[in-house]
Amino acid sequence: EVQLVESGGGLVQPGGSLRLSCAASGFTFSNHWMSWVRQAPGKGLELVANIKPDGSEEYYVDSVKGRFTISRENAKNSLFLQMNNLRAEDTAVYYCAKSLWVRYYSDYDYWGQGTLVTVSS
Amino acid sequence: QSALTQPASVSGSPGQSITISCTGTSSDIGGYNYVSWYQQHPGKAPKLMIFDVNRRPSGVSDRFSGSKSGNTASLTISGLQTEDEADYYCCSYVGDNSRVFGGGTKLTVL
Repeated sequence: EVQLVESGGGLVQPGGSLRLSCAASGFTFSNHWMSWVRQAPGKGLELVANIKPDGSEEYYVDSVKGRFTISRENAKNSLFLQMNNLRAEDTAVYYCAKSLWVRYYSDYDYWGQGTLVTVSS
Repeated sequence: QSALTQPASVSGSPGQSITISCTGTSSDIGGYNYVSWYQQHPGKAPKLMIFDVNRRPSGVSDRFSGSKSGNTASLTISGLQTEDEADYYCCSYVGDNSRVFGGGTKLTVL
């Protein structure tokens, strides 16, 4: 059974940092693109960042470029999102999501339960 | 990349069919056959219902179907059931290993 379990969310002041983690199991983690998708309270979904199976390519939405870094540790089946210089508009539930197909960036067939990040003073 | 445009809400009675539209541009929906739809119940993670415009993942009811014409994609749910009441999001590939979502549509089953 595929499982994605996020952790690391919490309350942080503007300008602060957080590191989100996603522990994956039930599939060959090293074969799949992985993504972070966020959802602000009462709002829609937004792709934040993607990373290639071998970690050699990354994508970021414009609003987080230069502040967020996605990474992965395939040996530990783990995905990370380092978030620096956080802003109020980063407040959201952050989901870890798995791409459907092996090796190719594709739609998200499994999602974690999400971790809430609140940026407020 | 701007969000895709969906109606804020749709409604239907049990047993009826409804269609949710998703409008984009030639840079997203119109440019690729990679449109997907997600169902999200309150407080839950999204669930993939349709991918590649009209394909269903294993386990998704055949009451759910997808289509595309030009820059607009559609999700049709036939034989509405109370458990279909949820938010629905469309999503399109936009190139450069990126996707954009729609604003979401709240489906109410009356």
